Order: sequence, then structure tokens, then C-alpha cells
Amino acid sequence: QQKVQQSPESLSVPEGGMASLNCTSSDRNFQYFWWYRQHSGEGPKALMSIFSDGDKKEGRFTAHLNKASLHVSLHIRDSQPSDSALYFCAARDSNTNKVVFGTGTRLQVLP
Amino acid sequence: NSKVIQTPRYLVKGQGQKAKMRCIPEKGHPVVFWYQQNKNNEFKFLINFQNQEVLQQIDMTEKRFSAECPSNSPCSLEIQSSEAGDSALYLCASSRDIPSAETLYFGSGTRLTVL
Repeated sequence: QQKVQQSPESLSVPEGGMASLNCTSSDRNFQYFWWYRQHSGEGPKALMSIFSDGDKKEGRFTAHLNKASLHVSLHIRDSQPSDSALYFCAARDSNTNKVVFGTGTRLQVLP
Repeated sequence: NSKVIQTPRYLVKGQGQKAKMRCIPEKGHPVVFWYQQNKNNEFKFLINFQNQEVLQQIDMTEKRFSAECPSNSPCSLEIQSSEAGDSALYLCASSRDIPSAETLYFGSGTRLTVL
């Protein structure tokens, strides 16, 4: 069964700090990755996608992909209380087009 | 704000009752997905459509769950005979196309509680 594991399960960082979230997939057919953020009472919202090895930066958010190790990470610099949410890694199987979501990381940014 | 519109936001049903929820995908998005997110925040894919055609669905969906995306009407997901284990957040998402690189855009969900 295709799996996408995230770590840590929960994370607390001070306001202005750096938050680092990790995601490891189990299947080399996963070629396309996204990070989604879900605030309480809302649906997930796509933060960014990453499809090529290396870094991708969008504002305060930087994603890193290493396809060889099936690892993708998300780094949030200058974390804000509004960043407090559930973060999900999602991977898409290039053969079946199925999107599999990770187990989630709950981020709390402390004022 | 979500451009994928889901109704109702909350749905409460007794065991054995029908539960129906609707989704209007983002304009110009012909591909629609339904996911179930349980209390542990785990996502389970249920079914997806391109226009009115079913692309993929899980076995569970074939039994008590039914879904459709009729032309010029909202998509819908219906549970024929609700069970306590169906209590979850049901999320609808849409995308512009089916290739692997397309992002899914989610609605706010319908939270179903089965008493």
C-alpha cells in the first residue's frame, strides 16, 4: 500500500522562528509532491508544489525534494501565529494519477 | 476563500439514514475528487470524475456510497445507509485536468456526524 509518512507529528516554534517539516514516501512512482495547509474548520489549501530535485522558494516557504531518497521537506522561516495549522504532504503517482496524503504535522507558532 | 463550494457544512444523521452532500467545483475545472478525512486527519480517496464520467473509485464506494457529477448541476456524494464509522469530514476537490502535475483545490468540506 502506498504510504506517505510525515514527521514530526506535532511541532511548536516561537513566533519568528523556523519550522521544518518532513515527508518520506514509499513508492518511486511518486513523482509529484505538494504541501497543503489546513486551518481548523477549513479544507486543505495548496501551499506549493515541487516536482524537481532541489529547492523551491515561495516567500517565507521553501520546499526541498530529493527523489533518490523519496524525501521532501518544507521550511517556514519567520513563522507567524497564522501559520498554526495542520500541514500535509501529498504525492501523486505518475502511473495511476492517484494522490496520496501524508499523516500530517500539526504546527503551533507561539506568540 | 475556497472557490470550491460544498454544502451543507454540517450534516447530522441517524444510523441507517441517507446522507447527501453537494459540491460545485471551481469554474473551468472538469475533474472532481471526493475524499473522506477521519478524526485522525487521515485522508481516504473515495471517487473521482472527469466531467460526468467516473475515473476511479474504491471498493467501499461501490457499495453504500454513490456519487455523480451531472452536467450543469452540482456534483453529489450520497451514503445510502449511514453507519457510525462514516462520521468524518467529506472533502471535495477539483482540478483543471487529470495529468499528474495538476493541483487539487479543496472546498471547506461537509462534516457528517452519524449518531
